[in-house]
Amino acid sequence: DTGVSQDPRHKITKRGQNVTFRCDPISEHNRLYWYRQTLGQGPEFLTYFQNEAQLEKSRLLSDRFSAERPKGSFSTLEIQRTEQGDSAMYLCASSLYQGITEAFFGQGTRLTVV
Amino acid sequence: RKEVEQDPGPFNVPEGATVAFNCTYSNSASQSFFWYRQDCRKEPKLLMSVYSSGNEDGRFTAQLNRASQYISLLIRDSKLSDSATYLCVVNHNYGQNFVFGPGTRLSVLP
Repeated sequence: DTGVSQDPRHKITKRGQNVTFRCDPISEHNRLYWYRQTLGQGPEFLTYFQNEAQLEKSRLLSDRFSAERPKGSFSTLEIQRTEQGDSAMYLCASSLYQGITEAFFGQGTRLTVV
Repeated sequence: RKEVEQDPGPFNVPEGATVAFNCTYSNSASQSFFWYRQDCRKEPKLLMSVYSSGNEDGRFTAQLNRASQYISLLIRDSKLSDSATYLCVVNHNYGQNFVFGPGTRLSVLP
């Protein structure tokens, strides 16, 4: 499978715990994006990388959230001290930085904070 | 005001109907435009890109009006399998973040 891969697909955690999600983009894609989606809403942008550089972060990305893409390949999104409001689907997408090009999404990680 | 706004929906239409979705965006720097489709509890998938001259892909037609900052999607002869949420997406400067609208849910009824 050469699409965007996310792991885990589902995560249930207790409030206050830390969680980390992984995203493996399409191999030749140099841009990688993280989004969060709650029921009935469109995906909300969190952050994006071009290669290993984090170029933009949304104000939604509080200091409890951190994302890395250490070698310009896979990326991780960590949420520290999770809160119930963090419960959502976390989507990763990748694209080529080359003209008009769409983003391809992974299947997402569904986080439930109890 | 949200940067990308869409018809609130839901749209419930019979099979074979024609349905149109509207989308407006507020950032005049937006460079590229897309319609994505999202099935329940699945990831968004590209339906079609939207070009300045308008474009068609089978039963689907997309239009862009840059002056009015307006995008539309027309679905003709709707099928049961068209039932999904349709997301309007704009992108600034060829690859900066993709901004999604809230989506419009379509249910095609037998």
